[in-house]
Amino acid sequence: QKEVEQNSGPLSVPEGAIASLNCTYSDRGSQSFFWYRQYSGKSPELIMFIYSNGDKEDGRFTAQLNKASQYVSLLIRDSQPSDSATYLCAVNNQAGTALIFGKGTTLSVSS
Amino acid sequence: DVKVTQSSRYLVKRTGEKVFLECVQDMDHENMFWYRQDPGLGLRLIYFSYDVKMKEKGDIPEGYSVSREKKERFSLILESASTNQTSMYLCASSLFSASNEKLFFGSGTQLSVL
Repeated sequence: QKEVEQNSGPLSVPEGAIASLNCTYSDRGSQSFFWYRQYSGKSPELIMFIYSNGDKEDGRFTAQLNKASQYVSLLIRDSQPSDSATYLCAVNNQAGTALIFGKGTTLSVSS
Repeated sequence: DVKVTQSSRYLVKRTGEKVFLECVQDMDHENMFWYRQDPGLGLRLIYFSYDVKMKEKGDIPEGYSVSREKKERFSLILESASTNQTSMYLCASSLFSASNEKLFFGSGTQLSVL
């Protein structure tokens, strides 16, 4: 059984700070890594994906992948109150046919 | 943009009832998925389908079955609903492989089994 682990939080940061969200996964064969954001009462929406070791930047978001350490993270720069949500880390299953999600980290950005 | 529509936002059923949750997507996606989401447990995969009439078990298929008679429609069936199936059910779809593509989620069905 693959596992995707995240700290549940809440992670609290002040407006303008950098928020760092972390995720570890158990299967060394995992190839695809995703970050979804879920606002309270809403469905998850994709914000970032990463396949290769290193950093990938998209606006205020940076995904970081370290396959040797089985670790993927999401950095949110200049955090805004609108970033307050639950962030879900997801990893492909062994067959590459579906995604396995972590339990999510709740982020709270205070103004 | 892709639309994934779940037939009911809220549903209340009795223990032992047969329950159908319907999901329709409008963008000719190959793959469709059913997840349930519970506080503290996150999103867990129940079943998925990569083609019409094809289905695969996810991590928690017990007590559920699925049907995909048409490409756009994927139904989740609770043969005999139990209280531990009270949950938020999320349907999702992707064009091809979920491993390297965006999942589009429906708005969810909050099912309460009394």
